[in-house]
Amino acid sequence: KQEVTQIPAALSVPEGENLVLNCSFTDSAIYNLQWFRQDPGKGLTSLLLIQSSQREQTSGRLNASLDKSSGRSTLYIAASQPGDSATYLCAFDQNQFYFGTGTSLTVIP
Amino acid sequence: GAVVSQHPSWVICKSGTSVKIECRSLDFQATTMFWYRQFPKQSLMLMATSNEGSKATYEQGVEKDKFLINHASLTLSTLTVTSAHPEDSSFYICSARIRGGSTYEQYFGPGTRLTVT
Repeated sequence: KQEVTQIPAALSVPEGENLVLNCSFTDSAIYNLQWFRQDPGKGLTSLLLIQSSQREQTSGRLNASLDKSSGRSTLYIAASQPGDSATYLCAFDQNQFYFGTGTSLTVIP
Repeated sequence: GAVVSQHPSWVICKSGTSVKIECRSLDFQATTMFWYRQFPKQSLMLMATSNEGSKATYEQGVEKDKFLINHASLTLSTLTVTSAHPEDSSFYICSARIRGGSTYEQYFGPGTRLTVT
């Protein structure tokens, strides 16, 4: 069974900093990877999807990469803003989603 | 875009009673819907997969007699928590896969906060 770990569990940074969130998985036979954002008490918003044949995706200030050989994915957030404060979840797709443990991000104005 | 709604958004019930949560795909058909549970500061755990017109498939450790799932139409799935207990208090999230779509083409509902007193 896929195990997905995210490091760090929590992160607090001043506004404007660039930051990296990490996600690792145990089974490289994944189909796709998604990064989601979850605001407190809310559902999930998909941020980026990296399909199995791809290595990275970019959307605005966000860039996600996928290295299946090392079992890792990273989410890079440039010039962080207070509105980026949320929990970020990575999820791997093997016919169903396996979610990571999440990173709680706080961006301090 | 594809929208999934859940009702109610929050519910408080007494121990021993049952509560039903609805998940609807508003602007697309979903042959498959998923139900997740999320405890505070933990990630989402898949509870069951429901397919329209057939019985749900439950993940290991999830009591199917306690968490009744019905996927009556291509736009509606319901989760009924029977004889609820305080330990069932959690955040329940559903997702719906677009008909004919890939696994990643899932859209998530806003979640339902269940508190059992």
